[in-house]
Amino acid sequence: DAGVIQSPRHEVTEMGQEVTLRCKPISGHNSLFWYRQTMMRGLELLIYFNNNVPIDDSGMPEDRFSAKMPNASFSTLKIQPSEPRDSAVYFCASTWTTSSYNSPLHFGNGTRLTVT
Amino acid sequence: AQSVTQPDIHITVSEGASLELRCNYSYGATPYLFWYVQSPGQGLQLLLKYFSGDTLVQGIKGFEAEFKRSQSSFNLRKPSVHWSDAAEYFCAVGRTNNNDMRFGAGTRLTVKP
Repeated sequence: DAGVIQSPRHEVTEMGQEVTLRCKPISGHNSLFWYRQTMMRGLELLIYFNNNVPIDDSGMPEDRFSAKMPNASFSTLKIQPSEPRDSAVYFCASTWTTSSYNSPLHFGNGTRLTVT
Repeated sequence: AQSVTQPDIHITVSEGASLELRCNYSYGATPYLFWYVQSPGQGLQLLLKYFSGDTLVQGIKGFEAEFKRSQSSFNLRKPSVHWSDAAEYFCAVGRTNNNDMRFGAGTRLTVKP
């Protein structure tokens, strides 16, 4: 089990540029989450998918943010255009969920995004 | 929606001393409760979880937590802290039939020699 894999680990970009963060969930998991962590706001849930379908994207801060999950083994979080206030650590997490069971999340090591 | 409060932003304890980190949740039904630990530069690692049954749950690294429904609490404890326990600790609550998990603001633990 390789765990949740995120890439890149670090991303430095200039304001206005497009940023794409990538996540490979644990094989067999059917739910995927994107979180953002900052000192000021802590861990914020941005969006989560169940069986590749977005269930709740109410945490996505603005239209500049978009997330996709084209298949069970890959997801992206895109910011276009990026702004300095988007600087944060972005975590992807996955789990196995049924209608009557909530299993713990397994987190990747995160992508540290710096927008200058 | 459910919510989690961790009243202590930062706690300092001496190595070998006991530890209790507080967590209060708000949710109308029986929650799924979790404690995670985050070391610098790392993702969150699950320490323990409560779904149902025995209200005292044991986790990894010698941690335990007790679910108290009457107090809406799920405090994390360890009888003797080690220097390697220095990290940030997050309490989280999930809902049945729903994947929406919410995290507290975290408590940073510093361990003095």
